[in-house]
Amino acid sequence: QVTLRESSPALVKPTQTLTLTCSFSGFSLSTSAMCVSWIRQPPGKALEWLALIDWDEDTYYSTSLQTRLTISKDTSENQVVLTMTNMDPVDTGTYYCARCYYGDYGLSFDYWGQGTLVAVSS
Amino acid sequence: DIPMTQSPSSLAASIGDRVTINCRAGQDIMNYLNWYQQKPGKAPKLLIYAASRLQSGVPSRFSGSGSGTDFTLTISSLQAEDFATYYCQQSYSTLTWTFGQGTKVEIK
Repeated sequence: QVTLRESSPALVKPTQTLTLTCSFSGFSLSTSAMCVSWIRQPPGKALEWLALIDWDEDTYYSTSLQTRLTISKDTSENQVVLTMTNMDPVDTGTYYCARCYYGDYGLSFDYWGQGTLVAVSS
Repeated sequence: DIPMTQSPSSLAASIGDRVTINCRAGQDIMNYLNWYQQKPGKAPKLLIYAASRLQSGVPSRFSGSGSGTDFTLTISSLQAEDFATYYCQQSYSTLTWTFGQGTKVEIK
């Protein structure tokens, strides 16, 4: 059974760095074609893909946010960590981690965590 | 980045209606298109991958079609549990992945 769970502070101040942790079970990020991604959603708005790390430790970032993001994994602990620097109130929203899989038909996000709500305010 | 545009942004329908949601890619993405359903306060759920392949456990009233730049999600007979927001997502790119802006299906 695949599960993912996000954890983070609920509130961060502008200019601070946000650290998000995704703890997962039911699969190994060492398995070929597996990956974990972060996706966020501002209140009442659409989903926005942020970053991805795959089984080979290759990393990929949103074009618009790449200078602020770093994704890493701890395979032994079954965790993926995303850091986002220089937080701003527009970064307020729910942050999801999701398992992804490079299948024969492209990449899909097939399991999601429940999300963690982050507010950015002074 | 490949932009994805959905239409309409919202629609109102009744139980039993046939519902169609459209998604257009900014370039040819072949059939590398996924659909997700999101209910309020919940995480998205994968419904369809590769434009037309039903994810395990998803009811057969959901179907997807299209290739190239134009895609459609169809709900053949809308049920109460289908009122939600639906997102398309391209998986053609191997560097960045983008979602549409969503289509909210509401009760008429």
